[in-house]
Amino acid sequence: RKEVEQDPGPFNVPEGATVAFNCTYSNSASQSFFWYRQDCRKEPKLLMSVYSSGNEDGRFTAQLNRASQYISLLIRDSKLSDSATYLCVVNAVSSNTGKLIFGQGTTLQVKP
Amino acid sequence: DADVTQTPRNRITKTGKRIMLECSQTKGHDRMYWYRQDPGLGLRLIYYSFDVKDINKGEISDGYSVSRQAQAKFSLSLESAIPNQTALYFCATSDPGQGDHQPQHFGDGTRLSIL
Repeated sequence: RKEVEQDPGPFNVPEGATVAFNCTYSNSASQSFFWYRQDCRKEPKLLMSVYSSGNEDGRFTAQLNRASQYISLLIRDSKLSDSATYLCVVNAVSSNTGKLIFGQGTTLQVKP
Repeated sequence: DADVTQTPRNRITKTGKRIMLECSQTKGHDRMYWYRQDPGLGLRLIYYSFDVKDINKGEISDGYSVSRQAQAKFSLSLESAIPNQTALYFCATSDPGQGDHQPQHFGDGTRLSIL
């Protein structure tokens, strides 16, 4: 089983749609969770951290379910500019190494 | 100016050549990382460094070496390049002051092709 698993997609949605991505992680001791966005041939950029109580940033909402070991990203009112690959990222469980484990990414294509 | 700068941005070279990819950062972060990204495989960690005197292997270090010349500089070398090292390479930094919650910040990437 991969340490971080995502559905690669692609998710094709019309502008204005709401879309949700899920990600599962294997190590129940993981403590830090992030969503990154990566545009084609560009570097990954931090979209948002994921906190235990769930958090929202504009049209983006992230949630964590520790019992089921999954995190989710909800995008409301999709824009063409949201088209990208979204990477689910979890910290490697060890003594404060800063190492992160990246999922393979979920591709979103927002159509006019 | 970018906080994490990689050079070169693109490189095409031949099998057997020695190649160095350079990374410099102005974020003041102690921790630096080198990744490669291949289609369908995601990001894989090659090496990481916690400070100038500290170098650690990642999951795919064979065929690579690194040098941490200063807090701000971390270079990746391919001593004798082979075609399956063709990939997109990223350097990243993080701040240990944030404890376990350490998002990483990436450079623009180096697209490397080995013929």
